[in-house]
Amino acid sequence: AQSVAQPEDQVNVAEGNPLTVKCTYSVSGNPYLFWYVQYPNRGLQFLLKYITGDNLVKGSYGFEAEFNKSQTSFHLKKPSALVSDSALYFCAVRLDTGRRALTFGSGTRLQVQP
Amino acid sequence: GAGVSQTPSNKVTEKGKYVELRCDPISGHTALYWYRQSLGQGPEFLIYFQGTGAADDSGLPNDRFFAVRPEGSVSTLKIQRTERGDSAVYLCASSSVPGLAGGHNEQFFGPGTRLTVL
Repeated sequence: AQSVAQPEDQVNVAEGNPLTVKCTYSVSGNPYLFWYVQYPNRGLQFLLKYITGDNLVKGSYGFEAEFNKSQTSFHLKKPSALVSDSALYFCAVRLDTGRRALTFGSGTRLQVQP
Repeated sequence: GAGVSQTPSNKVTEKGKYVELRCDPISGHTALYWYRQSLGQGPEFLIYFQGTGAADDSGLPNDRFFAVRPEGSVSTLKIQRTERGDSAVYLCASSSVPGLAGGHNEQFFGPGTRLTVL
């Protein structure tokens, strides 16, 4: 079975400061990892993915994430937060073979204060 | 439009009634997924179609839930004898043809249908 943990229900950060949203995963095999963002009354929007290769992945809106195999983590980061980044963020995992369904974490609400 | 669309955006029904939720994927996407998102939770997988066939229906909670995709494009999720516990946002996603490596294309999500069972 595969699972994703997002240990923080909410992360608060001041505008202009760096942000980190944590994600750890558990799979039996090689993971494909994804980050999605959800704004109120809107669907999930894809931010970035790790498939293979470079452990640092860059995505939309200045976000990046670092894959750490030894710590089974895939934390989302941004060097300088914007108020408009305030939203609900979901980490998701699937195996590189077989089942294509994504397993999502429970989400982390990011609040960026002006 | 260019994205995944879902109708209706909201559906209120009474316990025991039958409902249908529709998903129109991105044109050309052969893979289609249904997920369910309860309040305060991440989406949970229900069913995956590759073309017209259900390739993985292991997430359907019971036999009251059924989905079809007869022409390989639009899909309908059908729920019989609805229960209050079925209340959730039902999300549809689509992705392009899997690559030779087994497919790792990201899934694009629609805005969801909020189902409320009274």
